[in-house]
Amino acid sequence: AQSVTQPDIHITVSEGASLELRCNYSYGATPYLFWYVQSPGQGLQLLLKYFSGDTLVQGIKGFEAEFKRSQSSFNLRKPSVHWSDAAEYFCAVGAITQGGSEKLVFGKGTKLTVNP
Amino acid sequence: IAGITQAPTSQILAAGRRMTLRCTQDMRHNAMYWYRQDLGLGLRLIHYSNTAGTTGKGEVPDGYSVSRANTDDFPLTLASAVPSQTSVYFCASSRSGGNQPQHFGDGTRLSIL
Repeated sequence: AQSVTQPDIHITVSEGASLELRCNYSYGATPYLFWYVQSPGQGLQLLLKYFSGDTLVQGIKGFEAEFKRSQSSFNLRKPSVHWSDAAEYFCAVGAITQGGSEKLVFGKGTKLTVNP
Repeated sequence: IAGITQAPTSQILAAGRRMTLRCTQDMRHNAMYWYRQDLGLGLRLIHYSNTAGTTGKGEVPDGYSVSRANTDDFPLTLASAVPSQTSVYFCASSRSGGNQPQHFGDGTRLSIL
């Protein structure tokens, strides 16, 4: 079965520092991978996605992620964090339901706190 | 502005009552989804619909039902609410095929007492 693991429940960084959020997935075929961000009281917003091709993908808000098949990872990075990046981040993998439909399987999320 | 509208934004409900959460999208997406989000558990799929007239069960469907009479609307019904259904509920939609990214509403915070 498909699964996503985000090993870090909570990460705290200082404003201006670099950031890396970890994501490991389990999926038998070539995965479709996503990162979403959720601000308090809001729904999830898509940051970036990987379907195929270049393994380094660029997203919105200065985020990027790198797909590493050998490590089953899709880590999210940002060179310099801003206070407005404080939010919860979810990694997700595209999967197939028992009925043959497509769905997303989400990790449990990483909450990011940014110190001034 | 195109997107997904969920209503109500929050609700407090007595156990045993019936409740319908509404979800409407104006992006003409074929696929729609309902998730619940609980602390420490992330998002779990309740029900989904690939196209109008069809629905399917997700990871945690018990106690919930859905219908998809048209493309735009995908209501979620709790026939007899129980306290364990206290959660934040998110509706999402996507184009069909190829694991398209999903677009999310702002959620409904539901408390069952």
